[in-house]
Amino acid sequence: GAGVSQTPSNKVTEKGKYVELRCDPISGHTALYWYRQSLGQGPEFLIYFQGTGAADDSGLPNDRFFAVRPEGSVSTLKIQRTERGDSAVYLCASSPIPDRGLGETQYFGPGTRLLVL
Amino acid sequence: ELKVEQNPLFLSMQEGKNYTIYCNYSTTSDRLYWYRQDPGKSLESLFVLLSNGAVKQEGRLMASLDTKARLSTLHITAAVHDLSATYFCAVAYNFNKFYFGSGTKLNVKP
Repeated sequence: GAGVSQTPSNKVTEKGKYVELRCDPISGHTALYWYRQSLGQGPEFLIYFQGTGAADDSGLPNDRFFAVRPEGSVSTLKIQRTERGDSAVYLCASSPIPDRGLGETQYFGPGTRLLVL
Repeated sequence: ELKVEQNPLFLSMQEGKNYTIYCNYSTTSDRLYWYRQDPGKSLESLFVLLSNGAVKQEGRLMASLDTKARLSTLHITAAVHDLSATYFCAVAYNFNKFYFGSGTKLNVKP
């Protein structure tokens, strides 16, 4: 079956512009995560959705970042007034149910490589 | 904030040798994950460790967890070139907030 997909795979934008990054999770997965990975670093947690609601958005760096998941499947990460420091790979992951201590695996998408000039 | 430290950050080894990657974390957690990432690719789940003393093995890789020491290890036995990749550990906090280490870049030389 299809895995997690992300579009676009690459995005180049200019400082100050607005961007939207899309994530299509595996069908039926209720939990969805966004991470940011800078070169040579591990993924950094941004936000977690359970269904349509953001259950934990404590990783969003500032109010320029916002994410939605209106119908509980596809999610969009939105970045306003982009800065050069936002350049990174943005990863999305989904899992069948929330990890309630049972160790449900997260399935990662290929990422969107964002470059802010 | 939970901190996760891996060492070494870079590891170059010969085929056939054994080595261990270490993952220390700063706050109590009972779930630890290991992932593999190939260059330009996304992360692939390797192991989930759920309890103190848990040990899991897959091929030449074996992972263990000591929750009292807040330490997990990933042991590589008789390394082969195909194992070359970056390996990340991740710790779960408050159920669904995951903290990743910086990764260990492994290069297995033929």
